[in-house]
Amino acid sequence: DADVTQTPRNRITKTGKRIMLECSQTKGHDRMYWYRQDPGLGLQLIYYSFDVKDINKGEISDGYSVSRQAQAKFSLSLESAIPNQTALYFCATSSGRGGVYNEQFFGPGTRLTVL
Amino acid sequence: DQQVKQNSPSLSVQEGRISILNCDYTNSMFDYFLWYKKYPAEGPTFLISISSIKDKNEDGRFTVFLNKSAKHLSLHIVPSQPGDSAVYFCAASESPDYKLSFGAGTTVTVRA
Repeated sequence: DADVTQTPRNRITKTGKRIMLECSQTKGHDRMYWYRQDPGLGLQLIYYSFDVKDINKGEISDGYSVSRQAQAKFSLSLESAIPNQTALYFCATSSGRGGVYNEQFFGPGTRLTVL
Repeated sequence: DQQVKQNSPSLSVQEGRISILNCDYTNSMFDYFLWYKKYPAEGPTFLISISSIKDKNEDGRFTVFLNKSAKHLSLHIVPSQPGDSAVYFCAASESPDYKLSFGAGTTVTVRA
């Protein structure tokens, strides 16, 4: 089974709808991240959490919120989806020990389309 | 403003030849650099990394070179194989929080 899973894998929704993307990990990592990928822009950090009680905004947090329900679960919500939030969303985890342990492990992604 | 830049969106190389991917960064405080590989419909996977205290790191067919004075790193793949066809992302981080800043990616196509 995959170490980092994301649900759903694909979602089409309408402008104004509330959407939740879920991420679960079995790696036992404390740190979890949400990124979005747009063509030509690479991966941009939306939110990150270094432990269950720690939530931090990334580069592009406007219009998004997150919840860290447990060490293994980190959800991303779009309270009122808009078309320019159409993108590929990735969840990632890391151990947080730095150096070679700085490697982040990514889920398979969620393709979100907002009409 | 992007702190990590990959100025070549695509690269086409013949099987067996060398692939050279380039990456530039602007933040002199970055102290750890990584390359990720991404296939369609999958998440990025870690490929190779280098600390700022080194100028070269090698792992099999993959070698990363770091030139701190030029704020430039490169990934060499020798020899290139068809399975290397993917998008390659350069990423950089700064201690102590080690958040990653990513480049836009370079799509590599290895021709048979």
